[in-house]
Amino acid sequence: QSVLTQPPSASGTPGQRVTISCSGSRSNIGSNFVNWYQHVPGTAPRLLIYNNNRRPSGVPDRFSGSKSGTSASLAISGLQSEDEADYYCAAWDDSLNGYEVFGGGTKLTVL
Amino acid sequence: EVQLVQSGAEVKKPGESLRISCKGSGYSFTNYWISWVRQMPGKGLEWMGRIDPSDSYTNYNPSFQGHVTISADQSITTAYLQWNSLKASDTAMYYCARLLDTVAGDYWGQGTLVTVSS
Repeated sequence: QSVLTQPPSASGTPGQRVTISCSGSRSNIGSNFVNWYQHVPGTAPRLLIYNNNRRPSGVPDRFSGSKSGTSASLAISGLQSEDEADYYCAAWDDSLNGYEVFGGGTKLTVL
Repeated sequence: EVQLVQSGAEVKKPGESLRISCKGSGYSFTNYWISWVRQMPGKGLEWMGRIDPSDSYTNYNPSFQGHVTISADQSITTAYLQWNSLKASDTAMYYCARLLDTVAGDYWGQGTLVTVSS
């Protein structure tokens, strides 16, 4: 059971816009930044969004992040076949001595 | 070019010890924390802990505290993940990541597959 809750799956057709949600609590998303990762099995994860809505250099502006209260979301516009991957949200959690928590991951299928 | 290069795949027996490594290059090693992330077969990503290579201060996920040790050697720009007594449930892919703003993994190693089986 992950601390952050994501839908297990999402899908869309090429060119569509899809969103993936991430729900947490006051001790994690409610108090800290949210990061999003793309993971194609067999490869290293890739940082897509950090500090809620910032994109590292090289990440297309088709990817965007937002946060409100204890929830966050990742939006992918102009969906492409190469976007098919697992997507994870993550945030620092202030409980105990503090540690990073991940969502369970959302498998995105491009139909 | 920033690179994190991890040590190769390992096959171990339950109860054995193991240390895997993550060598950073192309940046100032002591300016960025390093984290370790586990992915068990067919499962999601789990954050294990992180280390500040400048002073070896560490944070651990409570689920991993006491079972693994994270360390770093500035002189050879390498971080380590160590087990004293492996279990079959430690079978997983392990990734290291350089942390941007101390929490966001902006560069990742290629992963080290650890298999623990009798």
